[in-house]
Amino acid sequence: DSGVTQTPKHLITATGQRVTLRCSPRSGDLSVYWYQQSLDQGLQFLIQYYNGEERAKGNILERFSAQQFPDLHSELNLSSLELGDSALYFCASSGPTGRRGEKLFFGSGTQLSVL
Amino acid sequence: DQQVKQNSPSLSVQEGRISILNCDYTNSMFDYFLWYKKYPAEGPTFLISISSIKDKNEDGRFTVFLNKSAKHLSLHIVPSQPGDSAVYFCAASYMEYGNKLVFGAGTILRVKS
Repeated sequence: DSGVTQTPKHLITATGQRVTLRCSPRSGDLSVYWYQQSLDQGLQFLIQYYNGEERAKGNILERFSAQQFPDLHSELNLSSLELGDSALYFCASSGPTGRRGEKLFFGSGTQLSVL
Repeated sequence: DQQVKQNSPSLSVQEGRISILNCDYTNSMFDYFLWYKKYPAEGPTFLISISSIKDKNEDGRFTVFLNKSAKHLSLHIVPSQPGDSAVYFCAASYMEYGNKLVFGAGTILRVKS
């Protein structure tokens, strides 16, 4: 158990809908990362938050947004969903600096299926 | 544009033998490399890393080799055990990337007993 909790584990929805994925980091970790893994591809970095502030951004679509709350949990919002958004979404956390070399601890992921 | 490539989707090895997983990268700015292991229904877990100032790093049964001129790294597992059966991801980063990682697509390792 990595200590990173992601909910829900599975999500099935329709095109055009909006969903929210939730992540609770390990106790004491200040940084949260979101990654997307599409079929037969590696994990693609989406976004990083550190202590409530956006720290780094990857190739995150404009239809996607995220935030980190004062209690350090994070939510990834996906809107106007398309079939191609179907993927496994991982959250990871690290702390206390969120800087390079800090080990990432991953949650077990949310499997999103857009039908 | 895949900057980190794992060209073997799967590998099957007999228990007790050596497993060699390979990874190639294209971005010469990468200077820190990691291997993660993933079991089904779990998230990736950190296995071993290597900085570009080294060409080898060992941790128990796991050794990572880095060949900077070839932009190639490999993970050796000796001896392989059935519990090593998992997906192995290679990942890379460089200074300006901060703590973001670029992952390969993974290699499924099956260790047969």
